[in-house]
Amino acid sequence: QQQVKQSPQSLIVQKGGISIINCAYENTAFDYFPWYQQFPGKGPALLIAIRPDVSEKKEGRFTISFNKSAKQFSLHIMDSQPGDSATYFCAASSGSARQLTFGSGTQLTVLP
Amino acid sequence: EAQVTQNPRYLITVTGKKLTVTCSQNMNHEYMSWYRQDPGLGLRQIYYSMNVEVTDKGDVPEGYKVSRKEKRNFPLILESPSPNQTSLYFCASSSRAGLTYNEQFFGPGTRLTVL
Repeated sequence: QQQVKQSPQSLIVQKGGISIINCAYENTAFDYFPWYQQFPGKGPALLIAIRPDVSEKKEGRFTISFNKSAKQFSLHIMDSQPGDSATYFCAASSGSARQLTFGSGTQLTVLP
Repeated sequence: EAQVTQNPRYLITVTGKKLTVTCSQNMNHEYMSWYRQDPGLGLRQIYYSMNVEVTDKGDVPEGYKVSRKEKRNFPLILESPSPNQTSLYFCASSSRAGLTYNEQFFGPGTRLTVL
């Protein structure tokens, strides 16, 4: 039973295009929604995160959109670059233990 | 350099041969955790520790043990490995801010193959 569902599994985008990755969750107790970026041979690294009291957070070319009523959140990468090619994981957590529940991952390829 | 280190990075072993994967962090973090990453399943938490001598099960703890005797170290023990434990393992740590915890920092991963 996957508590955080992520799509698509893979995504190919042309350089300069917009990459969009979607996640949906069931547990309404989740109160922290990070996105992690993972390059081959490396551990995941925090990219951007949002809390449910805001509907959008932007950091550079990366934006999280959050829809609390629909229990969905998405990552938008504007002006995608080949260096953005990586696997992206959405996650969610609740409580003080900050146990992260991850989505299944999206392998993004940005073509030059 | 602030980091989480894991050893070994690669390990091939046989069914039933006990092994330990070490994890160490130099950031004085209270919280440490182990995850396994499998294709199509993302990362799933195995065990976590909120401080020294405090550990608890994550989502997939069967077949694993952990200990937290020192703040910086959090070894993962497979007492009798089986082929279904073949996976990519990550250790992570984070600091505590008040009642919540901050960003988790991940180690480089340990790729384990159990024959």
